[in-house]
Amino acid sequence: NAGVIQTPRHKVTGKGQEATLWCEPISGHSAVFWYRQTIVQGLEFLTYFRNQAPIDDSGMPKERFSAQMPNQSHSTLKIQSTQPQDSAVYLCASSLVSNERLFFGHGTKLSVL
Amino acid sequence: GDSVTQTEGQVTVSESKSLIINCTYSATSIGYPNLFWYVRYPGEGLQLLLKVITAGQKGSSRGFEATYNKEATSFHLQKASVQESDSAVYYCALSPNYGSSGNKLIFGIGTLLSVKP
Repeated sequence: NAGVIQTPRHKVTGKGQEATLWCEPISGHSAVFWYRQTIVQGLEFLTYFRNQAPIDDSGMPKERFSAQMPNQSHSTLKIQSTQPQDSAVYLCASSLVSNERLFFGHGTKLSVL
Repeated sequence: GDSVTQTEGQVTVSESKSLIINCTYSATSIGYPNLFWYVRYPGEGLQLLLKVITAGQKGSSRGFEATYNKEATSFHLQKASVQESDSAVYYCALSPNYGSSGNKLIFGIGTLLSVKP
């Protein structure tokens, strides 16, 4: 079991460019979560899928951010027109069923210059 | 909304001494939230340390304990004798116990524990 896999580990983009972050949950896990971590805000919930369906996206910024889960083996977080304030570590997590423990990936560190 | 407060950003303790990391929460859900401690060891991903879903109960793991105190809305993490290998960042978290958001974790800011040899 390789755990939750996030790629790339580091991504550098220029202001205004698009960034796509990938997450491969643990096989068989039905829930996938995205979080953002910064020094100032700490760990912030972004969005959550269950059985590939979006359940709660209350933490997603209304503009420029979108998340998809086209199949059970991966999810993507896309940020359009990246801004310096988007710089953060983006964490993906998965869990087997509702209210079970979350398994986190190592995260993708996004740096927007 | 729901929130978790950790008052110490960093704690330094000598090896074999006792530890307490404070955590309080605020929950607006109808039922009581589930409470967690997650830990990130150097070079590793965030992982569950312990979980308690029933008010009044105690959770324990790796020598750490935390008691769900609904009156004080607290979930402090304690250990009687820390080791250097306990050096890590510790996060208190809750999940609202209602509706479709029941699985969403809300985290505190984290507390960096440094254990001196």
